[in-house]
Amino acid sequence: DTGVSQDPRHKITKRGQNVTFRCDPISEHNRLYWYRQTLGQGPEFLTYFQNEAQLEKSRLLSDRFSAERPKGSFSTLEIQRTEQGDSAMYLCASSPLEGAKNIQYFGAGTRLSVL
Amino acid sequence: ELKVEQNPLFLSMQEGKNYTIYCNYSTTSDRLYWYRQDPGKSLESLFVLLSNGAVKQEGRLMASLDTKARLSTLHITAAVHDLSATYFCAVGNYNTDKLIFGTGTRLQVFP
Repeated sequence: DTGVSQDPRHKITKRGQNVTFRCDPISEHNRLYWYRQTLGQGPEFLTYFQNEAQLEKSRLLSDRFSAERPKGSFSTLEIQRTEQGDSAMYLCASSPLEGAKNIQYFGAGTRLSVL
Repeated sequence: ELKVEQNPLFLSMQEGKNYTIYCNYSTTSDRLYWYRQDPGKSLESLFVLLSNGAVKQEGRLMASLDTKARLSTLHITAAVHDLSATYFCAVGNYNTDKLIFGTGTRLQVFP
């Protein structure tokens, strides 16, 4: 098991462009989460999936953001019409469905820079 | 709305010294996590605390939880340079899977 994988690691884009990030969770982990982290801050929750169902979305997730997990395995996060304020590290995490501990295992993140 | 506060935000300490990082949260929660993050790296899970009075130890780090005071501590014993990193506490709830993170404590251990 190679852990949570995110692609790309870095993305530089111009304001107004669309970007898409991919997350591959640990195999057999039913739950998948997206967080955003800005410099000097802790991660902020964006959304999470249980299998293919999106169960919760933060109000941080404006209508320019959309996330999918079509087959209950990998997930994509798309940002449309990017703005400079979208510049951040986007973190993906996964956890197994069972277990009271519900430890979330994080990927290395995708760093987005919007010019 | 659940808020999580950590202090200090920055901690510079000499090798061999002891110190404690504090994590306060504003509403009832049934689980408290500590994570470590090295620059440019992923968050690594350190501890999960599930009940009042829970104490977990791993090497030079020990975490505890007081649910009545809504306080968790991460105690560092005889710090070494390898412990230099940013430490986050995060609060979760059994019904809501999202984690609410503190702002982090950036620890630097010098000789």
